[in-house]
Amino acid sequence: QQPVQSPQAVILREGEDAVINCSSSKALYSVHWYRQKHGEAPVFLMILLKGGEQKGHEKISASFNEKKQQSSLYLTASQLSYSGTYFCGTLGGTGAGSYQLTFGKGTKLSVIP
Amino acid sequence: DGGITQSPKYLFRKEGQNVTLSCEQNLNHDAMYWYRQDPGQGLRLIYYSQIVNDFQKGDIAEGYSVSREKKESFPLTVTSAQKNPTAFYLCASSNGQGATLNQPQHFGDGTRLSIL
Repeated sequence: QQPVQSPQAVILREGEDAVINCSSSKALYSVHWYRQKHGEAPVFLMILLKGGEQKGHEKISASFNEKKQQSSLYLTASQLSYSGTYFCGTLGGTGAGSYQLTFGKGTKLSVIP
Repeated sequence: DGGITQSPKYLFRKEGQNVTLSCEQNLNHDAMYWYRQDPGQGLRLIYYSQIVNDFQKGDIAEGYSVSREKKESFPLTVTSAQKNPTAFYLCASSNGQGATLNQPQHFGDGTRLSIL
């Protein structure tokens, strides 16, 4: 089942912070985060594994709460280059689909001057 | 530089025609994937392959076929049975076989397919 991302879209001014959430209805082994700019390939940001480890990439960090089956992506002091659509991909569940990443519908982030 | 090359960038299909999208990687990755992206829908998995000569259906495999005769190549054929093929198609690869617990996926630049 597809994870649910929220919000669907957000507009920020440069320097503001944002949080993007990703929730799943099934037990998760890991959560992947990617950013895609319009017409381009998605770019890998980070992977979070079970254990609640928080990871960072520049001024972007994320957390993973496997009990709640949720992950959050934190963007601090946003820059114009952060604009794009952010996707979470979840890995988990049981059966043949357990090793497939299932992506959310994305959160469109627009950073304006 | 290592990477994934998809071709063509744009492709047009006539009714009743099969078309093949190319995906080549020189990252020496074992696993390769095909995704379909529609506006507002995210990425949906069509097929994936964890090793040469083996592949599995994803969530939306109907109307598509693949082959994996070489480690570096994973072409996708969109058959005439796929009634709504207009979409952006992305190929990806990742290192290692089996579960992709901690292996990122690397994506190509995509092929945009349209119906004539």
